Amino acid sequence: AQRVTQPEKLLSVFKGAPVELKCNYSYSGSPELFWYVQYSRQRLQLLLRHISRESIKGFTADLNKGETSFHLKKPFAQEEDSAMYYCALDFGNEKLTFGTGTRLTIIP
Amino acid sequence: DGGITQSPKYLFRKEGQNVTLSCEQNLNHDAMYWYRQDPGQGLRLIYYSQIVNDFQKGDIAEGYSVSREKKESFPLTVTSAQKNPTAFYLCASSIRPTGDEQYFGPGTRLTVT
Repeated sequence: AQRVTQPEKLLSVFKGAPVELKCNYSYSGSPELFWYVQYSRQRLQLLLRHISRESIKGFTADLNKGETSFHLKKPFAQEEDSAMYYCALDFGNEKLTFGTGTRLTIIP
Repeated sequence: DGGITQSPKYLFRKEGQNVTLSCEQNLNHDAMYWYRQDPGQGLRLIYYSQIVNDFQKGDIAEGYSVSREKKESFPLTVTSAQKNPTAFYLCASSIRPTGDEQYFGPGTRLTVT
């Protein structure tokens, strides 16, 4: 079955430390991969997508086909990075499958 | 903000009553979606529509119904058959059904007692 797994419900990181939010998927094909973010009192919004290969707000995400992972990384965490992060995949069936989310808290 | 709106922000209903949540977009997007967001469960897809007058069941469609009579509107009805209706409901839209960014509304929190 096609599945998206975010193993960490909660993640706390000190300001200035590196951040890595994990996302694993189960699928034999090549999905479209996204990271969405929800800041406090704001709408859920797209952070980045694999196909664009952009770095947004210092975040990058690399696809590892061998490990079927799409982890989100940032070298130096900032307080404004505190938010809920969702990994989402389009398995080519015209809908997104979301992970259960990771709440990131940056400790000042 | 803007572009996709949901109303009301908070909704309270008695058990056994049907309730309809509104979702409107002025982005001229073809595809629209309804999700349910519960703590620890992420976003789960209820229904989606790729084009006017067409819609498909998502992963948790039981107890819900939708219509797509207009491109800009995709209302969701939570029926009395939904066993656990209290939740935060999110509507989204995208230009096309596949591979495009989804734009989300602010959400409606439904409480059924």
